[in-house]
Formats: sequence, C-alpha cells, structure tokens
Amino acid sequence: EDKVVQSPLSLVVHEGDTVTLNCSYEVTNFRSLLWYKQEKKAPTFLFMLTSSGIEKKSGRLSSILDKKELSSILNITATQTGDSAIYLCAVRNTGNQFYFGTGTSLTVIP
Amino acid sequence: DTAVSQTPKYLVTQMGNDKSIKCEQNLGHDTMYWYKQDSKKFLKIMFSYNNKELIINETVPNRFSPKSPDKAHLNLHINSLELGDSAVYFCASSQGAGDPVYGYTFGSGTRLTVV
Repeated sequence: EDKVVQSPLSLVVHEGDTVTLNCSYEVTNFRSLLWYKQEKKAPTFLFMLTSSGIEKKSGRLSSILDKKELSSILNITATQTGDSAIYLCAVRNTGNQFYFGTGTSLTVIP
Repeated sequence: DTAVSQTPKYLVTQMGNDKSIKCEQNLGHDTMYWYKQDSKKFLKIMFSYNNKELIINETVPNRFSPKSPDKAHLNLHINSLELGDSAVYFCASSQGAGDPVYGYTFGSGTRLTVV
C-alpha cells in the first residue's frame, strides 16, 4: 500500500534552534517529493525534489531527497516564531496522483 | 494574497442536484488541476488544463465537466450528484505541466457532502 509517513508528529522548539523534519515514503512509480508549509489557509509550496542528493535551499530552509532510503528531510535553521506551522510532505507518482503525509506540527516559542 | 482560491469551502446538497465548484489562481500559472481526495487521503487527478486546453482527462463520470474560461480559472461542474460524489475536491495550479520547476500550489479544498 502506498503511503507517506512524517516524523515527528509534533515538535516544540525555542527560537534560534535548528530542526529537522523527516518524510519517508513507499509510493509506486515515484516521480517527485514536495514539501509544503500550512498555516491557516491552503498549503504554501516550499520545495520539489526529483533527484537524489541535490539540496534545495531557500533562506533558512533546505531539503534533500534520498531515493535509496526513500526519504527526505526538511531543515530549518535559526527558527523564528513565524516558522510555526504544519509542514506537509507529499509524493507525486507518474500517474499525477499525490500522497500526502499527515504533517509535522512545528511550534517555535520565543 | 497570491494563492489558489476555491469556493465554496463546504457544500451540502441533495442527490440529483447540479452544483459547481469554482477555482481561481492569481499566481500567473498556466496549468490548473482538479483532484479528488479518496478515502485513503491521497489526491487522484481528475482533469488538467494548460492555457485553457484540456490536457489530462482521467476516467471520471461524464457528470463531471470542467470549464476553463481563462487560464486563471478552472471550474468544476457536477450534474446529477450521487452519494458517492461526497469527497474533498482540491484545485491546484503550476507553471508548466510535467515536472514544473516551482511545484504545485493547492487550494484549501472543497468538502462536498451529498445527502
């Protein structure tokens, strides 16, 4: 059965800490893995990863895909309260279907 | 806010009715999609339009008809609603199809309940 599993389910850190969020997947006909940040409304796109070992970076956020381990990590350095959100991992297969994980709830306290 | 907006968020209707769900994006993307979330929570593609042209048309009942008046809008019309149509429907957009460099942006979903 195809699935996407994220860990941890929730995380509470202090401002300035660095966090690592994990996503592992078992999806037939994998095409790409995507990370989203969800606050109150619709999820905001962060990264799309297709190739193993190539880090994508945007400011304090970075992500990398390991196709051998069927996993990806999302790193956030020097966290800020504005980083508090649910982070969703999704895997897209070659049939254009998306499998979403249940998300990691990140809370950054001042 | 730049986003993909779907309306309504919730829709409760009786069997046999005809209803529409609207989707608009102000991201300047040229490709839009409709997905249906199944019981296992994955999103299954229904339709995709690129610059108002239908490019993906999966096997869905004829009662579902997409309409794209311009590349910023993709509406979903459903005729003769059935109980089995109850689901959450997601609209999405991207710049380019295939493997769009900037990924996919999703709307927040429309929960359709047919009673």
